[in-house]
Amino acid sequence: DIQMTQSPSSLSASVGDRVTITCRASQGIKNDLGWYQQKPGKAPKRLIYAASSLQSGVPSRFSGSGSGTEFTLTVSSLQPEDFATYYCLQHNSYPFTFGPGTKVDIK
Amino acid sequence: EVQLLESGGGLVQPGGSLRLSCAASGFTFTSDAMSWVRQAPGKGLEWVSAIGRGGTNTYYADSVKGRLTISRDNSENTLYLQMNSLRADDTAVYFCAKGGLSTKGFDYWGQGTLVTVSS
Repeated sequence: DIQMTQSPSSLSASVGDRVTITCRASQGIKNDLGWYQQKPGKAPKRLIYAASSLQSGVPSRFSGSGSGTEFTLTVSSLQPEDFATYYCLQHNSYPFTFGPGTKVDIK
Repeated sequence: EVQLLESGGGLVQPGGSLRLSCAASGFTFTSDAMSWVRQAPGKGLEWVSAIGRGGTNTYYADSVKGRLTISRDNSENTLYLQMNSLRADDTAVYFCAKGGLSTKGFDYWGQGTLVTVSS
């Protein structure tokens, strides 16, 4: 099975900050990586799929990059509604695996 | 508008059984694989199982293999998860999610249904 790691596990940031989250896969997964945002008590929401494709309706301040084993999610200018937990997901092969999550809170 | 509505969660004793349902609407149900994802209280997301469009191909996480069974009724636009031999560590919110390999993950999610395994 493919293992996913994320860093950092949590971060504190201010509105307007640029934020970067990294996800690493235990083996190459081409560009088969998505990013999801989850707020407390809510279902996850897909932000990015295929490493860098922006989900329809998601603000352009979110972007993704990477391929193979290392991927990043960047929020160019953090907004109040972006404080949440972010998960990466490898969708290269079953069993799909999520990263452990990165909690972004207010500094 | 795509909607996924889970039901069937509740309190069950260890070793017991439960069947979850996910009623889908707003898209062509037979066009997509479907999955179940769970989240234990205060924990991260865990993919549980997936089923192909026709219902023949199924996939499971090792943690649930042999105990949970995914199925779908394409005539009723409904996804199911039969849960047997439940354990305390199966306690979680279970989300129905639209998509799989061909859709590059999950583009829509239900609101989730809570399963609590406790005596």
